[in-house]
Amino acid sequence: AQSVTQLGSHVSVSEGALVLLRCNYSSSVPPYLFWYVQYPNQGLQLLLKYTSAATLVKGINGFEAEFKKSETSFHLTKPSAHMSDAAEYFCAVVLGAGSYQLTFGKGTKLSVIP
Amino acid sequence: GAGVSQSPSNKVTEKGKDVELRCDPISGHTALYWYRQSLGQGLEFLIYFQGNSAPDKSGLPSDRFSAERTGGSVSTLTIQRTQQEDSAVYLCASSFLGGSSSYNEQFFGPGTRLTVL
Repeated sequence: AQSVTQLGSHVSVSEGALVLLRCNYSSSVPPYLFWYVQYPNQGLQLLLKYTSAATLVKGINGFEAEFKKSETSFHLTKPSAHMSDAAEYFCAVVLGAGSYQLTFGKGTKLSVIP
Repeated sequence: GAGVSQSPSNKVTEKGKDVELRCDPISGHTALYWYRQSLGQGLEFLIYFQGNSAPDKSGLPSDRFSAERTGGSVSTLTIQRTQQEDSAVYLCASSFLGGSSSYNEQFFGPGTRLTVL
């Protein structure tokens, strides 16, 4: 079985401040991990993914995430928040190569304060 | 190129009516997925189609839900005798299936917002 926990359903940061969105997973096998972003009334867009290569993964829009096996974490960060980053962010896990069923966290809504 | 499209974008129906939701995947993508996004349950997997293989229906919440994929392309998700708890955003995704040695990114459509009164 696998599951994803996102700490904080709502996070607010000031423009220019560090963004940190937390994700912990549980999986019986080495997982593939993903962060998706959803803007209002839009579908999900892939930000970045971890598929057992480098543990520090860089994605689009200046976001990055680090896979820490010892902590079973895959937190999403961005050094400096921009107003356009306001959206909902979802962490997701897939069991591994050849698997397809994404298991999502509950999501974290990011607000950016000017 | 065109992404995944879904129609309608919004659907309001009365309890007990049947609804059909449509998904047009990206051309050439052999795999198609349906997910449901609701306030209480978050994002849930519903069903998966891959080529001519039997679909994985393990996520369908009840026998009122069914889906088909005609000609390996367009898919329709049907909900019979809708209930208020069916109100949610229904998301479709597609991917190119590159084999068991790789992960195949799922590209999502904008969703259909279903409201059951």
